[in-house]
Amino acid sequence: GAGVSQSPRYKVAKRGQDVALRCDPISGHVSLFWYQQALGQGPEFLTYFQNEAQLDKSGLPSDRFFAERPEGSVSTLKIQRTQQEDSAVYLCASSPPRRASGAVLRTDTQYFGPGTRLTVL
Amino acid sequence: ILNVEQSPQSLHVQEGDSTNFTCSFPSSNFYALHWYRWETAKSPEALFVMTLNGDEKKKGRISATLNTKEGYSYLYIKGSQPEDSATYLCAFRALTSRDDKIIFGKGTRLHILP
Repeated sequence: GAGVSQSPRYKVAKRGQDVALRCDPISGHVSLFWYQQALGQGPEFLTYFQNEAQLDKSGLPSDRFFAERPEGSVSTLKIQRTQQEDSAVYLCASSPPRRASGAVLRTDTQYFGPGTRLTVL
Repeated sequence: ILNVEQSPQSLHVQEGDSTNFTCSFPSSNFYALHWYRWETAKSPEALFVMTLNGDEKKKGRISATLNTKEGYSYLYIKGSQPEDSATYLCAFRALTSRDDKIIFGKGTRLHILP
């Protein structure tokens, strides 16, 4: 079946420009995550959604970063007034639905998209 | 702050040779450890999820072991092939982590030399 897709794959922005990055998770996946991977670093957590609810946004580096998932499927990560330090690969991941009991297995694998490479000039 | 370390950062291995690398994580707050393989221009691909001390998982020529008491996991690749060239990421889930949050290491970049 289709995996997680992200668009655009590459984005070049001038400093100060706003950008919007899109993530299409696997159909039926409840949880959705955004990560930022700077050069030479591992992916770092930005924010987490369960359906349309943004349950954790503790990793967003500044108030220029905003994420939404209004219908509980597609998500958009928006960065306003981009800065050079925003240059990174932005990864999206989704993981399976809750069990009938309501529990989420905490060992559930996260399925990743290919990322969007953002370069801010 | 939870720290996940991977070593070495980069590794060059001759085709056909076997290799291994390490992921270190906090032993006192362990819940699960994930290994991912990330080939250039592709999506990170899940290899293993490990939860029990002494766990050993295998997928083809790749295997992993887990020691939760001392806080490390090894990933082994037997008879390296060019298609094994990738960055290998480990990710740690703490017992006390909120929701499904996992913490990644910086990865080991593996280059297989023909």
